Amino acid sequence: AQSVTQLDSQVPVFEEAPVELRCNYSSSVSVYLFWYVQYPNQGLQLLLKYLSGSTLVKGINGFEAEFNKSQTSFHLRKPSVHISDTAEYFCAVSVRSEKLVFGKGTKLTVNP
Amino acid sequence: DVKVTQSSRYLVKRTGEKVFLECVQDMDHENMFWYRQDPGLGLRLIYFSYDVKMKEKGDIPEGYSVSREKKERFSLILESASTNQTSMYLCASSHTSGGAKNIQYFGAGTRLSVL
Repeated sequence: AQSVTQLDSQVPVFEEAPVELRCNYSSSVSVYLFWYVQYPNQGLQLLLKYLSGSTLVKGINGFEAEFNKSQTSFHLRKPSVHISDTAEYFCAVSVRSEKLVFGKGTKLTVNP
Repeated sequence: DVKVTQSSRYLVKRTGEKVFLECVQDMDHENMFWYRQDPGLGLRLIYFSYDVKMKEKGDIPEGYSVSREKKERFSLILESASTNQTSMYLCASSHTSGGAKNIQYFGAGTRLSVL
């Protein structure tokens, strides 16, 4: 069975600093990988996805993620964060079905 | 624009009550999902429906049932609400074509408190 580990439950950073949110997955077969963001009091929305091809994936709001098959990782990065990036971020994986397996989430807090 | 609508943002119910959470999508999606979100536990799948009147148990179906009589509507039912079902409930939908590659679209969530 697949599983997703988000290594940090909370990440505090200062505005304009770079940030990396870490995600590792376990699966014995090829996977599809997603990052979703949840702003306060809202549902989840897709940030970016890796289906195939280039291992560097660019998403909305200046975020990007790199798929590393040998390390089974899909870390999310942004070179310079804004206060408005404060949210909870979820990494998710799907394999052969439409069902997603989510990590437990990372709360990113951007301080002025 | 893609839309998944959950009928209530906040609900307060009493222990033992029968509770209905409603979700409607306007994207003609075949698949619909109900998740429960708790702090530190992420999202856990309760039930999944891949067609009208079809359903499949997720990871935590105990204490819940679902109904899908029309393609656009997916209801989550708590037959006898208990305090340990106090949580945020999220509905999502997706297409079938493309399978595991599909993006799920989420509603804004219903925060349920059972007293």
